[in-house]
Amino acid sequence: AQRVTQPEKLLSVFKGAPVELKCNYSYSGSPELFWYVQYSRQRLQLLLRHISRESIKGFTADLNKGETSFHLKKPFAQEEDSAMYYCALRVPSKLIFGAGTRLAVHP
Amino acid sequence: GAVVSQHPSRVICKSGTSVKIECRSLDFQATTMFWYRQFPKKSLMLMATSNEGSKATYEQGVEKDKFLINHASLTLSTLTVTSAHPEDSSFYICSARDERGSTEAFFGQGTRLTVV
Repeated sequence: AQRVTQPEKLLSVFKGAPVELKCNYSYSGSPELFWYVQYSRQRLQLLLRHISRESIKGFTADLNKGETSFHLKKPFAQEEDSAMYYCALRVPSKLIFGAGTRLAVHP
Repeated sequence: GAVVSQHPSRVICKSGTSVKIECRSLDFQATTMFWYRQFPKKSLMLMATSNEGSKATYEQGVEKDKFLINHASLTLSTLTVTSAHPEDSSFYICSARDERGSTEAFFGQGTRLTVV
């Protein structure tokens, strides 16, 4: 079955601390994975995708096919990073979202 | 990036009435659009895939007669919640992909539906 699991509903850290938002997936095909972010009162927007291997706003994510994971990391969290983060898996015709993790960065 | 616009952003309706939500791709054409429902503090649940010029594809458990989807042009898809009930109250989000470009999906700002 196709599934995306984000085990943490809430991740609370202090400014400057490292952050890792976990994402695991289940998919028999070749996975295409994304991280989307939703800031307060804003629409969902793409943060990064694994095929680009890019760093956006200091965030990176590496696809680990052996562990079927796509964890999102940032070495030093900022208060403006506070938001809902969704991991998503593209199967041929649609996106499947994880339940989301709320990141709260405290001063 | 490309822009997807939803209208209205908020609507309150009486139980038993129907409500139409529009989703427009403003600067690109989309043969496919997606309708999601988001419950409070929960993930986005895909309801259906809207296909321009043909019938929508509904996910398992979604009533097609309840949630009517029309994708009449390459820039507009509509979701009509028919005979709405309080349990239909939710946040509905559409998305579309600019198929000329990358695989990135662009999302509308969402519509908060409250059925009283």
